Amino acid sequence: EAGVAQSPRYKIIEKRQSVAFWCNPISGHATLYWYQQILGQGPKLLIQFQNNGVVDDSQLPKDRFSAERLKGVDSTLKIQPAKLEDSAVYLCASSLEGGRLNEQYFGPGTRLTVT
Amino acid sequence: QKEVEQDPGPLSVPEGAIVSLNCTYSNSAFQYFMWYRQYSRKGPELLMYTYSSGNKEDGRFTAQVDKSSKYISLFIRDSQPSDSATYLCAMTTNAGKSTFGDGTTLTVKP
Repeated sequence: EAGVAQSPRYKIIEKRQSVAFWCNPISGHATLYWYQQILGQGPKLLIQFQNNGVVDDSQLPKDRFSAERLKGVDSTLKIQPAKLEDSAVYLCASSLEGGRLNEQYFGPGTRLTVT
Repeated sequence: QKEVEQDPGPLSVPEGAIVSLNCTYSNSAFQYFMWYRQYSRKGPELLMYTYSSGNKEDGRFTAQVDKSSKYISLFIRDSQPSDSATYLCAMTTNAGKSTFGDGTTLTVKP
C-alpha cells in the first residue's frame, strides 16, 4: 500500500513570496490533515478535511494560509505572503475516518525555509 | 499553559536500558492517548494507542495511562539503537481533535 505522498520535499523562499505544497493521501482515506511542525515542537493542526469539506480550520492563519481539497482526494496548502515565522515542516496526514480512533498516517513532510 | 506537556529531554541511554517517556495533560476531554515515533526528516508513525486507564503492552513497548492524574507514559524495555528517535505523545477528544506534545528525543548508544 502506497503511503502519503508530499511534494516538494524542500523549499526555500524569501519573505513575502508565495508557496504551495501538495499532498496525495492513502487511497480510500476520507480524512486529510495538514500540520505545521516548527523545529523542536510537536505537530500543530492547521486544517482537517473530511472528503472535500472542512471539519476544523480553527488554527489556520486565514489571512495568509489557504487549503483546498477539491475532489476529495489530493490537497494543496498555500501560503501567501510568507513570513519568517512560517519556516517549519508541513506535514500531511490521512486517516480512514476522522473519528476518535483515527489512526493517522503521515507523509514525509515539506521542509520550508523562509529567508 | 499548554494542554499537553511532555518531558523535554533529550534522553541518552545505553543499549538494553529501560526508557520512560512521560506526558501530562490538562484537558479532561482527552479520551484517547497515542504515542508516535518520528525519525529524523520523516513523518511521525503511530506506535501505540489506548483509551482506558491502565497498561497496554506491545512487544518491548508498554503504554500506561492514569486518567485520574492526567498522566501517560511509554516504557521501552531492552532499548535498541534503532529506537533512537523523537517520541511524541498525542491525545484525542471524542470529537476527533488531536493535540500533540512537543516530543522527547531519545538516543540509545550501542
